[in-house]
Amino acid sequence: GQQVMQIPQYQHVQEGEDFTTYCNSSTTLSNIQWYKQRPGGHPVFLIQLVKSGEVKKQKRLTFQFGEAKKNSSLHITATQTTDVGTYFCAKGGNQFYFGTGTSLTVIP
Amino acid sequence: DVKVTQSSRYLVKRTGEKVFLECVQDMDHENMFWYRQDPGLGLRLIYFSYDVKMKEKGDIPEGYSVSREKKERFSLILESASTNQTSMYLCASSRPRPANTGELFFGEGSRLTVL
Repeated sequence: GQQVMQIPQYQHVQEGEDFTTYCNSSTTLSNIQWYKQRPGGHPVFLIQLVKSGEVKKQKRLTFQFGEAKKNSSLHITATQTTDVGTYFCAKGGNQFYFGTGTSLTVIP
Repeated sequence: DVKVTQSSRYLVKRTGEKVFLECVQDMDHENMFWYRQDPGLGLRLIYFSYDVKMKEKGDIPEGYSVSREKKERFSLILESASTNQTSMYLCASSRPRPANTGELFFGEGSRLTVL
């Protein structure tokens, strides 16, 4: 298939700890997107990365695109209970193939 | 406010039944997509469409067909439902090509159970 690999599948953290999810592709990506899906909800777009080595920040969230444009990461600093959900990467293009997702649980 | 509407949130069907899942978007997007979501497997692309009457297979088209008669509406059809098609189905739309930078807007999802 065309999916990208995403690890870990599950992550449990204490509130205040950091969290990172990784996305890897065997082929070079034109761009990569990140989505968040709250429990019981639908995926919502967070950000898109296009350039090699690009780093973008949204408050406590840091998104990186690898130099070779084959991998990406999402890092959350000092997690909060509102960060709970599943985070997906998606390789851009016309078809938008998604990673398998990382389910984040934050323990208060 | 942008909106993607899926006709049914929950459906229960019997094996062999024909099932229609409807999706309507109000953003004048040309691109529309159908995914299924299963635990541990993420979102898998079933079919997508760039324009009216146009369709392309995704990763898992077997057992499904689609219809795009109008720009705003993209229907997913299960000709003869089977129990392994029990899943959450998500419709999405995005800006017109060549927007490979367009974000996806998702509907609320349709949870289908096939008995």
